[in-house]
Amino acid sequence: DGGITQSPKYLFRKEGQNVTLSCEQNLNHDAMYWYRQDPGQGLRLIYYSQIVNDFQKGDIAEGYSVSREKKESFPLTVTSAQKNPTAFYLCASSMYGGETQYFGPGTRLLVL
Amino acid sequence: AQSVTQPDIHITVSEGASLELRCNYSYGATPYLFWYVQSPGQGLQLLLKYFSGDTLVQGIKGFEAEFKRSQSSFNLRKPSVHWSDAAEYFCAVGGPGTASKLTFGTGTRLQVTL
Repeated sequence: DGGITQSPKYLFRKEGQNVTLSCEQNLNHDAMYWYRQDPGQGLRLIYYSQIVNDFQKGDIAEGYSVSREKKESFPLTVTSAQKNPTAFYLCASSMYGGETQYFGPGTRLLVL
Repeated sequence: AQSVTQPDIHITVSEGASLELRCNYSYGATPYLFWYVQSPGQGLQLLLKYFSGDTLVQGIKGFEAEFKRSQSSFNLRKPSVHWSDAAEYFCAVGGPGTASKLTFGTGTRLQVTL
């Protein structure tokens, strides 16, 4: 079955630690996105990538980094510079120039 | 700048009753509009979308939405709600030439009473 997988489902971060969230898709989509979801705030765009080896900052990129070395993979690193990382993180993908985004199941990040 | 307003944070309806969730958008050109549904702790599932053409669009699970340009609205409706429809619903707006960037509303949580 085609789809988007995110791992892990839950992730715990210690103070000063960088953590990486995985997002993989087998839909052959060109574009991939990372969103952060906080209660009552909807989804906010962190980073997006339209093609391999290229990505752009979204609305709340500070404290995060990404890479896009393969078409099917778009990992997100939450760095120690992100002072309030506790949230639900959602990955999405779409065809290049395609307007419809499809979402993965999400990763919940908690701070110890 | 594009924006979406979902004025109802929380709605409660009885099973079998009709449902309408409101969505108002701001966008400089013809918008692409979406409704997604999210169950607790899950990702978002696409219910329906509007790009052009017929302003009444049908989606999955018996949902429909109507695009009203004059009111900048894209309200979601269902004639008879089922208990399994309890979830959070998000409206989103985007368009061509925006690198497929979507702007989401803050969501409406639907509770269904038996």
